[in-house]
Amino acid sequence: EVQLLESGGDLVQPGGSLRLSCAASGFSFNNFGMSWVRRAPGKGLEWVSSISGSGADTYYADSVKGRFTISRDNSKNTVDLQMNSLRAEDTAVYYCAKHPGTPRNNLWSGIWYSDYWGQGTLVSVSS
Amino acid sequence: QLVLTQSPSASASLGASVKLTCTLSSGHINYAIAWHQQQPEKGPRFLIKLNSDGSHNKGDGIPDRFSGASSGTERYLSISSLQSEDEADYFCQTYGPDIWVFGGGTKLTVL
Repeated sequence: EVQLLESGGDLVQPGGSLRLSCAASGFSFNNFGMSWVRRAPGKGLEWVSSISGSGADTYYADSVKGRFTISRDNSKNTVDLQMNSLRAEDTAVYYCAKHPGTPRNNLWSGIWYSDYWGQGTLVSVSS
Repeated sequence: QLVLTQSPSASASLGASVKLTCTLSSGHINYAIAWHQQQPEKGPRFLIKLNSDGSHNKGDGIPDRFSGASSGTERYLSISSLQSEDEADYFCQTYGPDIWVFGGGTKLTVL
């Protein structure tokens, strides 16, 4: 059974940093791309960042580029999101999501969508 | 610009059927989309990946009550025999080179 368990959410002041982690189980972790997606209060889902199975290729939404860093440890089956220079508008529940494969040569054809999701972890940015 | 448009809300009676729509921006008629369901206080759940020709594949354990169809730039999610647990937010998702896009979501109320 695929399981994704996020952790690390907290209340943090504007300008602060936070590191989220997602522990994965039930599948061969290094063979699958992973993403972080968030949902702000009263808003819809917003893609944040994605990473290939090897970790060599990473992708970011413009709203977080330069502030957030996605990484993975395939020996521990975890994918992390380091969030720096946090802003009030980063307040959201952050979800870890698995893709049904990993891209080849930076191509996500057929595997671009999320087929499993975690339960989320809440990040609140406020003074 | 790649954009997905969804109606903010929909409603239907218990036991009835409903069709939700996700509209791709012009110029993106051949794009596939995925539908996800998010029940209150839960993480999203993948329902179905829908291609432009209407072919699709469903997530694990998704009942036959959920189906998809395509027409032009519109992608549909139909739910039959509505149950109370179908009351949720429904999001469509697609992908452009190096960017993932979600629609604004449709809140489905089961009356």
